[in-house]
Amino acid sequence: AAGVIQSPRHLIKEKRETATLKCYPIPRHDTVYWYQQGPGQDPQFLISFYEKMQSDKGSIPDRFSAQQFSDYHSELNMSSLELGDSALYFCASSLRALDTQYFGPGTRLTVL
Amino acid sequence: AQTVTQSQPEMSVQEAETVTLSCTYDTSESDYYLFWYKQPPSRQMILVIRQEAYKQQNATENRFSVNFQKAAKSFSLKISDSQLGDAAMYFCAYRRPSGAGSYQLTFGKGTKLSVIP
Repeated sequence: AAGVIQSPRHLIKEKRETATLKCYPIPRHDTVYWYQQGPGQDPQFLISFYEKMQSDKGSIPDRFSAQQFSDYHSELNMSSLELGDSALYFCASSLRALDTQYFGPGTRLTVL
Repeated sequence: AQTVTQSQPEMSVQEAETVTLSCTYDTSESDYYLFWYKQPPSRQMILVIRQEAYKQQNATENRFSVNFQKAAKSFSLKISDSQLGDAAMYFCAYRRPSGAGSYQLTFGKGTKLSVIP
């Protein structure tokens, strides 16, 4: 079965640079969630989209923005990167907002 | 706000034995969803099992089963016939009910399970 695809899988950036993470949900899934997992931490919710509209917002810094496109893929844009942004970023998708969330493999971001 | 507590940071089990991971949560809502996710060394988050609060019957998926005690707000995971591949970090997660408008997952801190050959 098709799974959630995230790209890139690994990303290394310098402080103050910009990064863009991409997420391709499971086919027919219309809801996308973004989570951030720091080292040794549990995943923390950042933001979600349902039918291309932002549906919920968590502890997402103002330096971050995201959107969901007409083909339902989503992008997380991160600007003015800080050392503390180094983490594993997960995208999850679900069929409608009420359904079970299935996670992608994550993008490991390292900020030097 | 909902909170999820996993009081066992680490546990170990002998291969082929049974182990139970604990999870408690705090909520004022009566209808909600609970999940166990597994995160092996690859860091992939894999759904293990899901429980709807309105269902009295405990969910079961092959060797994995839960003991859902709604009044006690307890949601433990039992792994039977443990296998080496079960070694992972296990996260308990809570999701608000339908109509709440917010369906983010709230995770516990996780329990690291080691399987001893």
